Amino acid sequence: EDKVVQSPLSLVVHEGDTVTLNCSYEVTNFRSLLWYKQEKKAPTFLFMLTSSGIEKKSGRLSSILDKKELSSILNITATQTGDSAIYLCAVSGGTSYGKLTFGQGTILTVHP
Amino acid sequence: DVKVTQSSRYLVKRTGEKVFLECVQDMDHENMFWYRQDPGLGLRLIYFSYDVKMKEKGDIPEGYSVSREKKERFSLILESASTNQTSMYLCASRAGGARGEQYFGPGTRLTVT
Repeated sequence: EDKVVQSPLSLVVHEGDTVTLNCSYEVTNFRSLLWYKQEKKAPTFLFMLTSSGIEKKSGRLSSILDKKELSSILNITATQTGDSAIYLCAVSGGTSYGKLTFGQGTILTVHP
Repeated sequence: DVKVTQSSRYLVKRTGEKVFLECVQDMDHENMFWYRQDPGLGLRLIYFSYDVKMKEKGDIPEGYSVSREKKERFSLILESASTNQTSMYLCASRAGGARGEQYFGPGTRLTVT
């Protein structure tokens, strides 16, 4: 059974801080790892990491895949209150249908 | 622009009622998914469909069924709603192929009383 574990489950920081969110996984026939951001609505896609693309960056957000340790981190630098959200990690494996297994999510709260 | 819509944002039903949740995508995607999201448990896959009239059980299919008669529409059915099915339900779609992200709808918060 595929499994994804995120840590910490919740995090409270102040604006300007840097945060690191963790995701570890066990999956059969790993295809990709995805990060999503969820505010009070639908999750929105952030990054997809694969065996051929293990590091992604967009503005203040960046993510790295460690294939050896079966894990990934999501870094957010110079946090803003608008970064407050649930961050979801998911992995895709097995069939080509794109079935995802999600972690529990990390609730990030950024105070002014 | 990618769009996944769900029929209701909020729904209140009574125990034992039959409940239909509808999801429509306009991206001609082959794959569609239904999840439920509960605090501390993340998103859990209920059912998914990889083609019209094709469906596969996810991790928690008990108490649910699905229907996909047209490519753009994927319905989740609660045959006899129970209070433990009170949850946020999220629909997603994805193009076919080995890799690609899922696009999510806004969710339906279902309360069963």
